[in-house]
Amino acid sequence: EIVLTQSPATLSLSPGERATLSCRASQSISPYLAWYQQKPGQPPRLLIYDTSNRATGIPARFSGSGSQTDFTLTISGLEPEDFAVYYCQCRHPWPPYAFGQGTKLEI
Amino acid sequence: EVQLVQSGGGLVRPGGSLRLSCTASGFTFGTYWMNWVRQAPGKGLEWVANLEGNGNEKKYLDSVKGRFTISRDNAKNSLYLQMGSLRGEDTAVYYCARGSLIAAGLFENWGQGALVIVSS
Repeated sequence: EIVLTQSPATLSLSPGERATLSCRASQSISPYLAWYQQKPGQPPRLLIYDTSNRATGIPARFSGSGSQTDFTLTISGLEPEDFAVYYCQCRHPWPPYAFGQGTKLEI
Repeated sequence: EVQLVQSGGGLVRPGGSLRLSCTASGFTFGTYWMNWVRQAPGKGLEWVANLEGNGNEKKYLDSVKGRFTISRDNAKNSLYLQMGSLRGEDTAVYYCARGSLIAAGLFENWGQGALVIVSS
């Protein structure tokens, strides 16, 4: 079973700065890594799928990269609405679909 | 616009049962895999179960096998999760989530969530 480990647990930045969030898999899962954003009291929202593809309606400041076991979500030029919790998720091969434990991006 | 509206949830005693519902609109429901994903209070996300668009194939998280049943009624654009033999560790917000036609195992759209509390 695949285990996803996210780092850091909490990231403190200011609007306008660049955020770099990491997700490490216990085995190679390339390219089947997705990223979700969750704000308090809301369901998650899909941001990135298959490592680097932005979901519909996601701004270009969100980008994903990585391969094999190491993946990164980069947010260039943080907006106030970007402060949230971010989860990575592996969609392959079959269920159970693993999620990371989350990174909280705070001001 | 894709919408997933959930109902059900509430307080149930250990060993009890509960059914969650999710009504979809804005897309051809029977075309998509549908999922249930849960989130314990203050914790991360955990996939629970999914069901093929035609209702034939379904899969479950090991810890809920034999206790939870996922089902759907495509004529009613509805997804269900029948939960039985509930335990304290099942306490969570349960989300229904639509799969993707371009990539299996993605959760493209989510319901608003339903809180299930298992407590005596």
